[in-house]
Amino acid sequence: KAGVTQTPRYLIKTRGQQVTLSCSPISGHRSVSWYQQTPGQGLQFLFEYFSETQRNKGNFPGRFSGRQFSNSRSEMNVSTLELGDSALYLCASSSQRKLLWDMNTEAFFGQGTRLTVV
Amino acid sequence: GNSVTQMEGPVTLSEEAFLTINCTYTATGYPSLFWYVQYPGEGLQLLLKATKADDKGSNKGFEATYRKETTSFHLEKGSVQVSDSAVYFCALNEDRGGAQKLVFGQGTRLTINP
Repeated sequence: KAGVTQTPRYLIKTRGQQVTLSCSPISGHRSVSWYQQTPGQGLQFLFEYFSETQRNKGNFPGRFSGRQFSNSRSEMNVSTLELGDSALYLCASSSQRKLLWDMNTEAFFGQGTRLTVV
Repeated sequence: GNSVTQMEGPVTLSEEAFLTINCTYTATGYPSLFWYVQYPGEGLQLLLKATKADDKGSNKGFEATYRKETTSFHLEKGSVQVSDSAVYFCALNEDRGGAQKLVFGQGTRLTINP
């Protein structure tokens, strides 16, 4: 079973540009989450999608957006890049169902996309 | 809101030493608790988990017990190896009406010397 695939692995962008990162979840997984990892702030939640709907969003500015397609693949977009957006962006997928009492969910992470803004 | 606090690193040990990495949490309800490990240049790998109070998660010689009374989930290993060198993250699963979110501690960098 293939794992979570994130592309590209590395990106270098200039301030003011925009960027799109892609995540292909494990086959059959319908929940995809995105996290930003920086040395200063650690791992911070960006958003979560389930069946093409954004269910949860972290405290990031509107420059950060995402979407999920019908095949569960997800993209996140960052517009008007700032130096502080340099980070490792991690995507996680899970087989979590909509049931509130499904306590055996676990998230599987991709290797991440390393974004450097210069 | 929910939060996770880990012992500050870095932690440096000799091979075959006993390891403890402390983790405490603040949460409403009864979240699932996790330990993730990150090797250099990699994403996060689930190391172990516990979904309810008094559950013990274990994997690859690592163990952690979900302690509701002390709101803790400390990671332990009896004899560490050089290959255990990595960054370890404690996390809880925040469930808001079905929407899932992992809340992570700040991470503890572990270095094992031969």
